[in-house]
Amino acid sequence: GQQLNQSPQSMFIQEGEDVSMNCTSSSIFNTWLWYKQDPGEGPVLLIALYKAGELTSNGRLTAQFGITRKDSFLNISASIPSDVGIYFCAGLTNAGNNRKLIWGLGTSLAVNP
Amino acid sequence: SQTIHQWPATLVQPVGSPLSLECTVEGTSNPNLYWYRQAAGRGLQLLFYSVGIGQISSEVPQNLSASRPQDRQFILSSKKLLLSDSGFYLCAWTQGYEQYFGPGTRLTVT
Repeated sequence: GQQLNQSPQSMFIQEGEDVSMNCTSSSIFNTWLWYKQDPGEGPVLLIALYKAGELTSNGRLTAQFGITRKDSFLNISASIPSDVGIYFCAGLTNAGNNRKLIWGLGTSLAVNP
Repeated sequence: SQTIHQWPATLVQPVGSPLSLECTVEGTSNPNLYWYRQAAGRGLQLLFYSVGIGQISSEVPQNLSASRPQDRQFILSSKKLLLSDSGFYLCAWTQGYEQYFGPGTRLTVT
């Protein structure tokens, strides 16, 4: 099925560093969602974006909905050990009633204390 | 507030045995419901989704089936498990544009 291009695939950083990851698509989306998954748990929604150009923050996390509606990025500032996990982007076209998300393959983040 | 439950949390089943995983949502009505499978902690594969009672859409031809007997209950089943059915199964619900996940079921087929 269709997937988003999410990069980087993995990151290993020092505590305190900033992190940036992004997702791109050949298709236009009306909604971008960013999730974090801890090992053995379900993904948790971090940020939802609904308008092109929108910039939204959630604590140390900031995400933007690209102007072209084909991309989005997530930044984490001043990383801490509990930021470790897999981050997923997901896009929604709002076509029909099924609300199917298109997913990236994830960015695995490791933080060295 | 809304909550989503999945059980069991973990399951070890022999090849050829049947499967039944259950998902229930509380605190909302008429949600869209989804079953995903995740292998090796990466990549969410959509298996089934449902927009209402008795309405099931299958995304991937496979050894699994889904049913929605009640508004807030979604069941994933198999008559005979294969080794390749092992994985982390996640249920999710949507009302609006945001999707929320349950805690997942770790299935190991031996």
